[in-house]
Amino acid sequence: ILNVEQSPQSLHVQEGDSTNFTCSFPSSNFYALHWYRWETAKSPEALFVMTLNGDEKKKGRISATLNTKEGYSYLYIKGSQPEDSATYLCALTGNQFYFGTGTSLTVIP
Amino acid sequence: GAVVSQHPSRVICKSGTSVKIECRSLDFQATTMFWYRQFPKQSLMLMATSNEGSKATYEQGVEKDKFLINHASLTLSTLTVTSAHPEDSSFYICSALRTGAYGYTFGSGTRLTVV
Repeated sequence: ILNVEQSPQSLHVQEGDSTNFTCSFPSSNFYALHWYRWETAKSPEALFVMTLNGDEKKKGRISATLNTKEGYSYLYIKGSQPEDSATYLCALTGNQFYFGTGTSLTVIP
Repeated sequence: GAVVSQHPSRVICKSGTSVKIECRSLDFQATTMFWYRQFPKQSLMLMATSNEGSKATYEQGVEKDKFLINHASLTLSTLTVTSAHPEDSSFYICSALRTGAYGYTFGSGTRLTVV
């Protein structure tokens, strides 16, 4: 079992603040890293799939970077809005999925 | 930490046969488990929510007679894909809710290939 860790476990920010959180994983045997935005009891929404060291992806106010050599990915949210409140999951994939436990983000109006 | 064991990790079956996928919570009791399907390059799609001792709740568009879910104990939920067809080929992933402040834990997925 690969250990994928996310930090922090939860986060509260004020509307308008920018924030970021981390997904850490073993740097060996890397294939792809997924970021999902997830609201409980709904289908996780795929945000990014990243495969190459140094990858940077952006979708609106959300962006992500990937460092496969040191085994981490950062997710950034610029100017957080209440609708950004959700759990953000990362998963390392190869033949199987290895999910982190998520970072729960609450944006306070 | 909480572990959800999902088996098998990979299965190849012939069209028309049925396949059972198991999801076990190893060190906690899970009253609620969720089943998802992952298509290539797409989001995880929630298929159904299973509660121990009661019938599963299926999402709109998911055939309950084709995807049979059983949650007979607090540590085991099963998904049976009946009369599988090639279009059922996908990753199937479960997650379990651990009560308290622990949140959700995901299984490692089952890659189903129907030939």
